[in-house]
Amino acid sequence: GAGVSQSPRYKVTKRGQDVALRCDPISGHVSLYWYRQALGQGPEFLTYFNYEAQQDKSGLPNDRFSAERPEGSISTLTIQRTEQRDSAMYRCASSLTSGGTHTGELFFGEGSRLTVL
Amino acid sequence: SQQGEEDPQALSIQEGENATMNCSYKTSINNLQWYRQNSGRGLVHLILIRSNEREKHSGRLRVTLDTSKKSSSLLITASRAADTASYFCATETNSGNTPLVFGKGTRLSVIA
Repeated sequence: GAGVSQSPRYKVTKRGQDVALRCDPISGHVSLYWYRQALGQGPEFLTYFNYEAQQDKSGLPNDRFSAERPEGSISTLTIQRTEQRDSAMYRCASSLTSGGTHTGELFFGEGSRLTVL
Repeated sequence: SQQGEEDPQALSIQEGENATMNCSYKTSINNLQWYRQNSGRGLVHLILIRSNEREKHSGRLRVTLDTSKKSSSLLITASRAADTASYFCATETNSGNTPLVFGKGTRLSVIA
């Protein structure tokens, strides 16, 4: 596609439900990143992939959070048993080059705003 | 955790003035990038400077990097109301396979 696409743009869910957020990166981009951004703050790193391999998941807050990129393209961030503190904007970004060493420019999507009631 | 810290947190200037934002970081880096974010939108890459570079220009933007002081600055010359946005620095450390880590940002308001 022309840019990084994220869906849904808005998700309201009840506490305890599972949610899945999808990211469709720019075609051909090697690396894919997930960040979480609170209002008035910078993006907080969650995890990233080079191709289908998850390189670093140290930013995932706890084991309720997981991510996959099975075919090296589309990625899904899953939050199980959501809690109110999970409410935030979740942002995906992709890059043409491999992440982790000499990372190039990141292209960000518009984000998925999650609200947990 | 956040590696970079922008300063000031907020900046308000008149149109036509120059805006300077600073970023300090803690550990050695491979590169440093600046991004811009309009309210509620995605981040947009502005410029990347590598650890062996000291200054880069792109249009009205000028970025400097001082690795001895572990700091960078972003200068926007002849600011416009459309420059109103949040600006973030992001660093990639050279300690191995590490992701890009963002600071908390500087909120710039340019008053027409």
